Amino acid sequence: DAGVIQSPRHEVTEMGQEVTLRCKPISGHDYLFWYRQTMMRGLELLIYFNNNVPIDDSGMPEDRFSAKMPNASFSTLKIQPSEPRDSAVYFCASSRIRMNTQYFGPGTRLTVL
Amino acid sequence: DQQVKQNSPSLSVQEGRISILNCDYTNSMFDYFLWYKKYPAEGPTFLISISSIKDKNEDGRFTVFLNKSAKHLSLHIVPSQPGDSAVYFCAAYSGAGSYQLTFGKGTKLSVIP
Repeated sequence: DAGVIQSPRHEVTEMGQEVTLRCKPISGHDYLFWYRQTMMRGLELLIYFNNNVPIDDSGMPEDRFSAKMPNASFSTLKIQPSEPRDSAVYFCASSRIRMNTQYFGPGTRLTVL
Repeated sequence: DQQVKQNSPSLSVQEGRISILNCDYTNSMFDYFLWYKKYPAEGPTFLISISSIKDKNEDGRFTVFLNKSAKHLSLHIVPSQPGDSAVYFCAAYSGAGSYQLTFGKGTKLSVIP
């Protein structure tokens, strides 16, 4: 298996622009997680899905952030409009049902100027 | 309030010696603990885990110890190798229905040849 795939690996954008991060989980995994990593706060869970349904989005910082999972093999995290404080590494992870070993993608490093 | 704490941001160890990475938690509902390793520009990868019904789990050079009364766990790497140089994250979750991992901020291990 190719593992969790994220794109793009790096994104540089200007404040106010829309940013879309993409994730393809491991085939057969029923859970998908979006995390954000910053120096100050470490790894934070933003939102997670079970069978394509959002279960808990309490970690999403504000309404500028939204996530979707239209099917079992694809998810997006959108920031609109982006702000400099959104600069971070965003990770997607997936896991099988009832197993909490999460497999992480390589991350997207987002820089908002 | 940080529920999982790794109080040492960094650790340096000579090759061949033992590396001990520590983690403390405050949430008594946590009953499953994991260690992840992260290399630069990659996502975290699962290393080893332990359930609260055990006090020790071993996998090759890696051993995790859990002290429930002290709410403390540690990861021992023996012998340490230069390839072990990475950031190590401690994570925990409650098996009572939640699939949310709570991560510590990580400890950067440097193994000196």
